[in-house]
Amino acid sequence: QVQLVESGGGVVQPGRSLRLSCAASGFTFSSYAMNWVRQAPGKGLEWVAHIWYDGSKTYYEDSVKGRFTISRDSFKKMLYLEMTSLRAEDTAIYYCARVVGAYSNYFDLWGQGTLVTVSS
Amino acid sequence: QSPLTQPPSVSGAPGQRVIISCTGTTSNIGVGYAVHWYQQLPGKAPKLLIHDNANRPSGVPDRFSGSKSDTSASLAITGLQAEDEGDYYCQSYDNDLSAWVFGGGTKLTVL
Repeated sequence: QVQLVESGGGVVQPGRSLRLSCAASGFTFSSYAMNWVRQAPGKGLEWVAHIWYDGSKTYYEDSVKGRFTISRDSFKKMLYLEMTSLRAEDTAIYYCARVVGAYSNYFDLWGQGTLVTVSS
Repeated sequence: QSPLTQPPSVSGAPGQRVIISCTGTTSNIGVGYAVHWYQQLPGKAPKLLIHDNANRPSGVPDRFSGSKSDTSASLAITGLQAEDEGDYYCQSYDNDLSAWVFGGGTKLTVL
């Protein structure tokens, strides 16, 4: 079955760290770029981070640069998001999404999301 | 503030047609990047609805259609059904921000 399953969310204090995971199955994970997209409670979608199919390049939304790190393990078919120095405004559901499209990328497969709550 | 602007809400009666607009700028839609649309039903993850301005993935009903012109795009939904109620997002890429960007989302209410 083609799917993405996130895990690792939870409640964390401001300034602490958390690592999210996304398990891919049913497709050739190593052939696809991947994204993390988040959605704050009651708000819209926001792109967070992007990693090339081979992990050679990564890109980040400005507010998370220097704090978040996207990585992948193609042997294990896993995508990760290491989040440090967490802030209240990072509270959101975090989705992993598969990236397709040669010029104008779009996201054709999404996980169910994992909730991160940053609160003291 | 997203560089892609959508109306906060639209509504229509069952069977009617609604259009959701997505207005961009010369650093995203206007420079040639395609527009893609996602449907997010209540409590669910987003789902790809339209890609590359007007293409429907397999399984998406032909009641959903997309178009693009200059710096804007539109999603049309015909034959509205109760199960269409939810949030709809446009998405593209922005050169100035060097980022994938989403519109603020439009809440569709079926009356």
